[in-house]
Amino acid sequence: KNQVEQSPQSLIILEGKNCTLQCNYTVSPFSNLRWYKQDTGRGPVSLTIMTFSENTKSNGRYTATLDADTKQSSLHITASQLSDSASYICVVSDRGSTLGRLYFGRGTQLTVWP
Amino acid sequence: EADIYQTPRYLVIGTGKKITLECSQTMGHDKMYWYQQDPGMELHLIHYSYGVNSTEKGDLSSESTVSRIRTEHFPLTLESARPSHTSQYLCASSGTDFNEQFFGPGTRLTVL
Repeated sequence: KNQVEQSPQSLIILEGKNCTLQCNYTVSPFSNLRWYKQDTGRGPVSLTIMTFSENTKSNGRYTATLDADTKQSSLHITASQLSDSASYICVVSDRGSTLGRLYFGRGTQLTVWP
Repeated sequence: EADIYQTPRYLVIGTGKKITLECSQTMGHDKMYWYQQDPGMELHLIHYSYGVNSTEKGDLSSESTVSRIRTEHFPLTLESARPSHTSQYLCASSGTDFNEQFFGPGTRLTVL
């Protein structure tokens, strides 16, 4: 069964601190993995996309890693800001679908305190 | 500016009412999707469309219906709303890279 599991479910950090969010998946055959940021009451917005051959990709203070062998990904946020408070969703797509079939994790709810 | 829009953003209605949630995109995308999302839960695909006059049901059974008469427009209709329909509804679209979906801001529906 294709699944995407994220941890932790929620996280509270102080402004300026770093944090790492985890994503484990069982989706096969794997196509790519995206991290989305979803602000409260808004739709998800893509942060990074990683294909099978990529290990690391950065987007400003966001750095995603992918280990395709262990089927794990992480999202590292550096020097957190209050605006980073949001839900971060790991989304995996499979290669066998013509639709664009996406498998969503439940997200990690990040709260950044001043 | 190319974007995807949803209206209304918030809707509170009584049981038994008919409602239509609007979704429009200006990116010229062929594929469009409707997702349902409850707090703390993953997004569930309820409807999708490959293009004009194409509609399919998604993974999650839904009593809603959709239509795709124009490329840019993908409305979702509930003929008789019930409290179990209370949820957030997200519309998305994708172009040639069908794995990259762009999401609208969502409609928060509450049925009393």
